[in-house]
Amino acid sequence: GQQVMQIPQYQHVQEGEDFTTYCNSSTTLSNIQWYKQRPGGHPVFLIQLVKSGEVKKQKRLTFQFGEAKKNSSLHITATQTTDVGTYFCAGLERNYGQNFVFGPGTRLSVLP
Amino acid sequence: NAGVTQTPKFQVLKTGQSMTLQCAQDMNHEYMSWYRQDPGMGLRLIHYSVGAGITDQGEVPNGYNVSRSTTEDFPLRLLSAAPSQTSVYFCASRRQFSGNTIYFGEGSWLTVV
Repeated sequence: GQQVMQIPQYQHVQEGEDFTTYCNSSTTLSNIQWYKQRPGGHPVFLIQLVKSGEVKKQKRLTFQFGEAKKNSSLHITATQTTDVGTYFCAGLERNYGQNFVFGPGTRLSVLP
Repeated sequence: NAGVTQTPKFQVLKTGQSMTLQCAQDMNHEYMSWYRQDPGMGLRLIHYSVGAGITDQGEVPNGYNVSRSTTEDFPLRLLSAAPSQTSVYFCASRRQFSGNTIYFGEGSWLTVV
């Protein structure tokens, strides 16, 4: 079945440093979503990418969907302590997929 | 707007006991699902439903039952709790078309001793 992988599993950064997490799917995706989960909280939707090569920005966050629609990345510029949490990607398999498969997440710690 | 509401938030069960996690959404979403979250394993789909009267298995369905008698409610039943079912459980909903945002409940922390 479809598998979604994320690296790194953990990332510790100093406040102000940049951060990137990578998401890779074993199959071609129709779309991919990103979620953020604060410690003790629930996942909250950040963004959805649909088109091959798509790049979307939300303030300091930049999301990219690969040309082959099998990988994606989330980049945070100049991290802040409010960025702490776990970032999940969730991929929907092309052709008949109706369930998003979540990656294991990348846990980000930001040291002040 | 309450969104997705789960109860209870915390529960301790003894091995072999049964219980039901309740989930309700007020957004008239057709699609509802249950996930479990374990350290390092992300969110794994247990069961899902695309509408009232329709349910299907996800990735890790063993030991769990669901039913969907109304659009709003999607309870998850643990038939005979095992320590391996110690986890955080999230109920979620979205509109039927697959490109739509998934809304999660606040989670239920379950410990089986």
